[in-house]
Amino acid sequence: GDSVTQMEGPVTLSEEAFLTINCTYTATGYPSLFWYVQYPGEGLQLLLKATKADDKGSNKGFEATYRKETTSFHLEKGSVQVSDSAVYFCALSVNDMRFGAGTRLTVKP
Amino acid sequence: EAQVTQNPRYLITVTGKKLTVTCSQNMNHEYMSWYRQDPGLGLRQIYYSMNVEVTDKGDVPEGYKVSRKEKRNFPLILESPSPNQTSLYFCASSWTSGRISNEQFFGPGTRLTVL
Repeated sequence: GDSVTQMEGPVTLSEEAFLTINCTYTATGYPSLFWYVQYPGEGLQLLLKATKADDKGSNKGFEATYRKETTSFHLEKGSVQVSDSAVYFCALSVNDMRFGAGTRLTVKP
Repeated sequence: EAQVTQNPRYLITVTGKKLTVTCSQNMNHEYMSWYRQDPGLGLRQIYYSMNVEVTDKGDVPEGYKVSRKEKRNFPLILESPSPNQTSLYFCASSWTSGRISNEQFFGPGTRLTVL
C-alpha cells in the first residue's frame, strides 16, 4: 500500500545551520506530497505541498521538490531558527492521506 | 475564524468507562477524519467520513466508534476504553476525500490517558 518513510530523529541543530529531513514514498498512483509541522502542544498544520513531479513547494524558508525518479520529497531550509523547533511530518495523498512517523527538530541558540 | 475544535483537550479516565471526544469544524468540509498519534508511529487513521452518514474504517478502528449525523460534527466514541488507547488524538477535515491536493486542517488534539 501507499506509505511514507522519513528520517528518524531527533535532529538537533545550531541556529543558522542547514536543515535536511529526508522523505521517500511508495505509491500506486500519482500522489500529492505534503510537509506538515507540529509545534509543541498544537495540531498539525500544512507547511508546504507539491502536487506533481518536479513541483517545488516552499513556505517560511522551507523548500521541498517532488522527485518522481527517486520517489523523494526532502525538506530543506538554509538557515534554521530556534522557532523552527517542532515535529515535521511528511505525507502523501492518493485516495487518502498517509503520514510518516515524524522527525523532531530542536534548534539551539 | 476557520478552525477545527476538539473537546476535551485532556482527559484521564479508567478502563471501561465510556467516553466521547467531540470534533467540530466550521469550514463546511465534507471530509473528516480521526487519527491517533503515538511515539515512533506517526499518525494512524482510526475512522474517516466522506460526508454525512458516510463513515469508514481507517487503519486502526478496533475499540472505536464514530458517527456523522451533521456535516460539522464527527465525534469519536470509546465504548469501553482500555490502557492501549492511551494516546494523542487528532480530528481533521478537508474539502473532499480523494482530491489528492487537498490540505487537511487539524484540531489541537486530545490527550487521553486510560488507567
